[in-house]
Amino acid sequence: GIQVEQSPPDLILQEGANSTLRCNFSDSVNNLQWFHQNPWGQLINLFYIPSGTKQNGRLSATTVATERYSLLYISSSQTTDSGVYFCAVGKSYNTDKLIFGTGTRLQVFP
Amino acid sequence: KAGVTQTPRYLIKTRGQQVTLSCSPISGHRSVSWYQQTPGQGLQFLFEYFSETQRNKGNFPGRFSGRQFSNSRSEMNVSTLELGDSALYLCASSLDGGGAGEQFFGPGTRLTVL
Repeated sequence: GIQVEQSPPDLILQEGANSTLRCNFSDSVNNLQWFHQNPWGQLINLFYIPSGTKQNGRLSATTVATERYSLLYISSSQTTDSGVYFCAVGKSYNTDKLIFGTGTRLQVFP
Repeated sequence: KAGVTQTPRYLIKTRGQQVTLSCSPISGHRSVSWYQQTPGQGLQFLFEYFSETQRNKGNFPGRFSGRQFSNSRSEMNVSTLELGDSALYLCASSLDGGGAGEQFFGPGTRLTVL
Protein backbone atom coordinates (compact mmCIF):
# COMPACT_ATOMS: atom_id res chain seq x y z
CA GLY A 1 0.00 0.00 0.00
CA ILE A 2 0.88 3.63 -0.14
CA GLN A 3 3.52 4.86 2.31
CA VAL A 4 3.44 8.31 3.92
CA GLU A 5 6.55 9.68 5.58
CA GLN A 6 6.76 12.89 7.54
CA SER A 7 9.84 14.80 8.56
CA PRO A 8 11.19 15.88 10.88
CA PRO A 9 9.64 13.71 13.59
CA ASP A 10 10.28 16.37 16.21
CA LEU A 11 10.81 20.10 15.98
CA ILE A 12 11.61 22.54 18.77
CA LEU A 13 11.37 26.25 18.03
CA GLN A 14 11.45 29.54 19.80
CA GLU A 15 8.43 31.79 19.36
CA GLY A 16 8.71 33.85 16.19
CA ALA A 17 10.73 31.30 14.23
CA ASN A 18 9.64 29.83 10.89
CA SER A 19 9.45 26.13 10.08
CA THR A 20 8.83 23.74 7.21
CA LEU A 21 7.24 20.32 7.65
CA ARG A 22 7.48 17.76 4.87
CA CYS A 23 5.25 14.90 3.77
CA ASN A 24 6.44 12.36 1.18
CA PHE A 25 4.10 9.79 -0.31
CA SER A 26 4.90 6.77 -2.43
CA ASP A 27 2.09 6.78 -4.98
CA SER A 28 -0.25 9.15 -6.78
CA VAL A 29 -3.02 10.56 -4.61
CA ASN A 30 -6.33 12.28 -5.13
CA ASN A 31 -6.61 13.61 -1.61
CA LEU A 32 -4.09 15.19 0.72
CA GLN A 33 -4.92 16.89 3.97
CA TRP A 34 -2.87 18.49 6.73
CA PHE A 35 -4.17 18.32 10.29
CA HIS A 36 -3.11 19.73 13.64
CA GLN A 37 -3.94 17.49 16.58
CA ASN A 38 -4.84 19.57 19.60
CA PRO A 39 -3.96 18.54 23.18
CA TRP A 40 -7.39 16.92 23.57
CA GLY A 41 -6.85 14.71 20.56
CA GLN A 42 -9.07 16.33 17.96
CA LEU A 43 -7.74 16.63 14.44
CA ILE A 44 -8.16 20.17 13.22
CA ASN A 45 -8.25 20.69 9.46
CA LEU A 46 -5.49 22.94 8.22
CA PHE A 47 -5.46 22.37 4.48
CA TYR A 48 -7.13 20.21 1.88
CA ILE A 49 -4.44 20.33 -0.80
CA PRO A 50 -4.09 17.45 -3.28
CA SER A 51 -2.15 19.84 -5.50
CA GLY A 52 -1.11 23.47 -5.68
CA THR A 53 -0.52 26.09 -3.02
CA LYS A 54 -2.78 27.55 -0.36
CA GLN A 55 -2.33 30.08 2.41
CA ASN A 56 -4.26 30.72 5.58
CA GLY A 57 -2.80 33.41 7.79
CA ARG A 58 0.62 32.38 9.05
CA LEU A 59 0.26 28.93 7.55
CA SER A 60 0.69 27.90 3.97
CA ALA A 61 1.01 24.60 2.14
CA THR A 62 2.27 23.39 -1.20
CA THR A 63 1.73 19.99 -2.79
CA VAL A 64 3.77 18.91 -5.81
CA ALA A 65 1.77 15.87 -6.84
CA THR A 66 4.08 14.89 -9.70
CA GLU A 67 7.00 14.65 -7.28
CA ARG A 68 4.89 13.13 -4.48
CA TYR A 69 5.50 15.53 -1.66
CA SER A 70 3.78 18.27 0.28
CA LEU A 71 5.16 21.01 2.49
CA LEU A 72 3.54 22.86 5.37
CA TYR A 73 5.04 26.23 6.25
CA ILE A 74 4.52 27.87 9.61
CA SER A 75 5.75 31.43 9.89
CA SER A 76 6.22 33.51 13.04
CA SER A 77 5.40 30.51 15.20
CA GLN A 78 3.43 30.94 18.42
CA THR A 79 3.19 28.73 21.49
CA THR A 80 -0.35 27.83 20.41
CA ASP A 81 1.12 26.17 17.30
CA SER A 82 2.53 23.42 19.51
CA GLY A 83 1.16 19.96 18.93
CA VAL A 84 1.36 17.18 16.38
CA TYR A 85 0.92 17.83 12.68
CA PHE A 86 -0.30 15.02 10.47
CA CYS A 87 -0.35 14.60 6.74
CA ALA A 88 -2.95 12.15 5.37
CA VAL A 89 -3.50 10.97 1.82
CA GLY A 90 -6.17 9.11 -0.11
CA LYS A 91 -5.73 7.46 -3.47
CA SER A 92 -9.09 6.13 -4.60
CA TYR A 93 -12.36 7.61 -5.75
CA ASN A 94 -14.22 4.64 -4.27
CA THR A 95 -13.22 5.10 -0.66
CA ASP A 96 -12.61 7.85 1.86
CA LYS A 97 -9.85 5.84 3.55
CA LEU A 98 -6.97 8.11 4.54
CA ILE A 99 -3.44 6.88 5.16
CA PHE A 100 -1.74 8.94 7.82
CA GLY A 101 1.92 9.76 8.28
CA THR A 102 3.51 9.34 11.69
CA GLY A 103 3.33 13.05 12.37
CA THR A 104 5.68 15.88 13.31
CA ARG A 105 5.64 16.92 16.96
CA LEU A 106 6.20 20.68 17.20
CA GLN A 107 7.07 22.43 20.43
CA VAL A 108 7.22 26.21 20.46
CA PHE A 109 8.76 27.90 23.50
CA PRO A 110 8.32 31.55 24.47
CA LYS B 1 -23.19 24.26 10.91
CA ALA B 2 -22.32 21.86 13.72
CA GLY B 3 -19.23 19.74 13.35
CA VAL B 4 -18.80 16.01 13.76
CA THR B 5 -19.83 14.88 17.22
CA GLN B 6 -18.81 11.76 19.09
CA THR B 7 -20.19 10.25 22.26
CA PRO B 8 -19.15 9.43 24.83
CA ARG B 9 -15.93 11.43 25.05
CA TYR B 10 -14.35 9.18 27.66
CA LEU B 11 -14.99 5.58 28.58
CA ILE B 12 -13.46 3.15 31.03
CA LYS B 13 -14.18 -0.55 30.63
CA THR B 14 -12.71 -3.80 31.87
CA ARG B 15 -11.36 -6.68 29.84
CA GLY B 16 -14.03 -8.88 28.34
CA GLN B 17 -16.71 -6.20 28.25
CA GLN B 18 -18.11 -4.68 25.10
CA VAL B 19 -18.49 -1.05 24.13
CA THR B 20 -20.46 1.01 21.63
CA LEU B 21 -19.27 4.36 20.34
CA SER B 22 -21.39 6.83 18.43
CA CYS B 23 -20.58 9.34 15.69
CA SER B 24 -22.89 11.96 14.19
CA PRO B 25 -21.53 13.42 10.94
CA ILE B 26 -21.86 16.98 9.75
CA SER B 27 -25.39 17.61 8.52
CA GLY B 28 -25.69 16.49 4.91
CA HIS B 29 -22.56 14.34 4.98
CA ARG B 30 -23.20 10.77 3.92
CA SER B 31 -19.84 9.08 4.53
CA VAL B 32 -18.44 8.16 7.94
CA SER B 33 -15.04 6.61 8.59
CA TRP B 34 -13.52 5.36 11.84
CA TYR B 35 -9.89 5.41 12.95
CA GLN B 36 -7.99 4.09 15.95
CA GLN B 37 -5.05 6.04 17.33
CA THR B 38 -2.52 4.44 19.66
CA PRO B 39 1.00 5.58 20.61
CA GLY B 40 2.51 2.49 19.06
CA GLN B 41 0.54 2.17 15.83
CA GLY B 42 -0.43 5.74 15.06
CA LEU B 43 -3.65 6.47 13.22
CA GLN B 44 -5.12 3.40 11.59
CA PHE B 45 -8.24 3.04 9.46
CA LEU B 46 -10.95 0.82 10.94
CA PHE B 47 -13.83 0.98 8.50
CA GLU B 48 -15.96 3.24 6.38
CA TYR B 49 -19.69 3.51 5.81
CA PHE B 50 -21.61 5.11 3.00
CA SER B 51 -25.39 4.94 2.53
CA GLU B 52 -25.67 2.42 5.37
CA THR B 53 -23.19 0.04 3.70
CA GLN B 54 -19.70 -0.84 4.86
CA ARG B 55 -17.56 0.08 1.91
CA ASN B 56 -14.09 -0.61 3.20
CA LYS B 57 -12.53 -2.27 6.21
CA GLY B 58 -9.09 -2.04 7.75
CA ASN B 59 -6.99 -4.84 9.16
CA PHE B 60 -8.72 -5.31 12.50
CA PRO B 61 -10.19 -8.45 14.09
CA GLY B 62 -13.86 -9.27 13.83
CA ARG B 63 -14.41 -7.99 17.37
CA PHE B 64 -14.55 -4.57 15.77
CA SER B 65 -17.79 -3.89 13.94
CA GLY B 66 -19.91 -0.97 12.96
CA ARG B 67 -23.04 0.19 11.27
CA GLN B 68 -24.61 3.26 9.78
CA PHE B 69 -28.18 4.41 10.11
CA SER B 70 -30.41 6.06 7.55
CA ASN B 71 -29.65 9.50 9.02
CA SER B 72 -25.92 8.80 8.42
CA ARG B 73 -25.12 8.49 12.12
CA SER B 74 -22.73 5.65 12.76
CA GLU B 75 -21.87 3.39 15.65
CA MET B 76 -18.90 1.15 16.19
CA ASN B 77 -18.84 -1.76 18.58
CA VAL B 78 -15.93 -3.58 20.14
CA SER B 79 -16.71 -6.87 21.80
CA THR B 80 -14.60 -8.84 24.28
CA LEU B 81 -12.37 -5.89 25.03
CA GLU B 82 -8.63 -6.41 25.38
CA LEU B 83 -6.06 -4.17 27.06
CA GLY B 84 -4.66 -3.33 23.63
CA ASP B 85 -7.97 -1.78 22.59
CA SER B 86 -7.21 1.21 24.79
CA ALA B 87 -6.99 4.04 22.29
CA LEU B 88 -8.45 7.23 20.96
CA TYR B 89 -11.20 6.42 18.47
CA LEU B 90 -11.84 9.10 15.89
CA CYS B 91 -14.55 9.34 13.29
CA ALA B 92 -14.58 11.48 10.19
CA SER B 93 -17.28 12.52 7.78
CA SER B 94 -17.31 13.68 4.20
CA LEU B 95 -19.99 14.97 1.92
CA ASP B 96 -20.25 12.29 -0.72
CA GLY B 97 -17.65 9.65 0.06
CA GLY B 98 -16.03 10.15 -3.31
CA GLY B 99 -12.53 9.78 -1.95
CA ALA B 100 -11.31 13.15 -3.11
CA GLY B 101 -13.39 15.30 -0.80
CA GLU B 102 -12.28 17.02 2.37
CA GLN B 103 -12.89 15.06 5.55
CA PHE B 104 -13.66 16.44 8.98
CA PHE B 105 -12.98 14.73 12.26
CA GLY B 106 -14.84 14.60 15.53
CA PRO B 107 -13.28 15.18 18.96
CA GLY B 108 -12.80 11.46 19.54
CA THR B 109 -13.69 8.94 22.21
CA ARG B 110 -10.89 7.98 24.56
CA LEU B 111 -11.33 4.35 25.62
CA THR B 112 -9.41 2.89 28.52
CA VAL B 113 -9.56 -0.85 29.09
CA LEU B 114 -8.51 -2.03 32.56
